[in-house]
Amino acid sequence: GEDVEQSLFLSVREGDSSVINCTYTDSSSTYLYWYKQEPGAGLQLLTYIFSNMDMKQDQRLTVLLNKKDKHLSLRIADTQTGDSAIYFCAVVQRDDKIIFGKGTRLHILP
Amino acid sequence: KAGVTQTPRYLIKTRGQQVTLSCSPISGHRSVSWYQQTPGQGLQFLFEYFSETQRNKGNFPGRFSGRQFSNSRSEMNVSTLELGDSALYLCASSYGTGTGNTIYFGEGSWLTVV
Repeated sequence: GEDVEQSLFLSVREGDSSVINCTYTDSSSTYLYWYKQEPGAGLQLLTYIFSNMDMKQDQRLTVLLNKKDKHLSLRIADTQTGDSAIYFCAVVQRDDKIIFGKGTRLHILP
Repeated sequence: KAGVTQTPRYLIKTRGQQVTLSCSPISGHRSVSWYQQTPGQGLQFLFEYFSETQRNKGNFPGRFSGRQFSNSRSEMNVSTLELGDSALYLCASSYGTGTGNTIYFGEGSWLTVV
């Protein structure tokens, strides 16, 4: 089955850019998502990208997709303290199940 | 538009008991999925319901079951609770099912088994 990998932790200084990376194994994945989870809360959809795109920008968020390398990244420009959360990469599998990575905990340094 | 609503938000149960969690999807959404989130395993898919029928199922034992009602509301049940069932149970809804239907999550139900 599909495997989605993310690094577990990332520390970034306030005002810098954060880049969260994700790799996946199923090359037939058509939709790829980024979700944000704040402490004690559910998952909030941040953005998504179709597999026929290689970039999508939405305000401070930029998603890059490298289909050849099966690599997805989320860039957060001008990182703020409110961006501190766990970020999940999710990929739609062939059978329509959505497989999530284990999440990257983003820590903001003052 | 109200989001996905899950009840109860927090509950404590004893080993061997059973528990029922409830989920009300976003109005108009007909698909409901359930996920278990634990620190060690991350988010794991439990099952998906669409129009009262189970459409997909994850790799969980038969103690985990669910159902969906005609108004799209869903419940999941865990029988004979084990300590390892302690987790955040997340419900998500989408308009349809399959690729292209973005899912929206509720706040989750925190289950502690003692």
